[in-house]
Amino acid sequence: NAGVTQTPKFRVLKTGQSMTLLCAQDMNHEYMYWYRQDPGMGLRLIHYSVGEGTTAKGEVPDGYNVSRLKKQNFLLGLESAAPSQTSVYFCASTYSRISYEQYFGPGTRLTVT
Amino acid sequence: KNEVEQSPQNLTAQEGEFITINCSYSVGISALHWLQQHPGGGIVSLFMLSSGKKKHGRLIATINIQEKHSSLHITASHPRDSAVYICAVSSVIKAAGNKLTFGGGTRVLVKP
Repeated sequence: NAGVTQTPKFRVLKTGQSMTLLCAQDMNHEYMYWYRQDPGMGLRLIHYSVGEGTTAKGEVPDGYNVSRLKKQNFLLGLESAAPSQTSVYFCASTYSRISYEQYFGPGTRLTVT
Repeated sequence: KNEVEQSPQNLTAQEGEFITINCSYSVGISALHWLQQHPGGGIVSLFMLSSGKKKHGRLIATINIQEKHSSLHITASHPRDSAVYICAVSSVIKAAGNKLTFGGGTRVLVKP
């Protein structure tokens, strides 16, 4: 099993550009999450999904959109990147049964200039 | 006030020392998680517990539900234990989608 994978690993964008981050998991997990990690702020939830075709907002959703067209994939989109979106992005997934550990991807380091 | 508070924020120890990291939370939880993140690395789950105590190698995690407090202990610390340790809690509400709320992390440096 590959677990949770993220592409790309690194990306530099100019302000105003758009991009999509892909998260894939092969563990048949129902729940998937996108987090951002910033120095001094810890991990914060951007959006999450409790199943194929469903998404919900997290703590810091502004400027991001997501889609979960297939159970194994969760996409995070930035329509018009801003320097404030410079961060490390982590995807995670877990089973729908309550209180199960989350499995994290390796992260995507995004810089917006 | 944050829902999940960790202390200390930074900790330096000599190899072999006993290390304790504390986590307090203010909300109802279904479970508490301890995560580890090495410098520049990914995040791995160390423990998930809802009561009592768990042990894995030199790591021990305890939780006191009544006091809303958990501790992570590292016995006989080693330089490879140098990492950020993150406490997180999952909501007691199933409809919350098992979302985690994170503490700010404790940066641990173990010197040889």
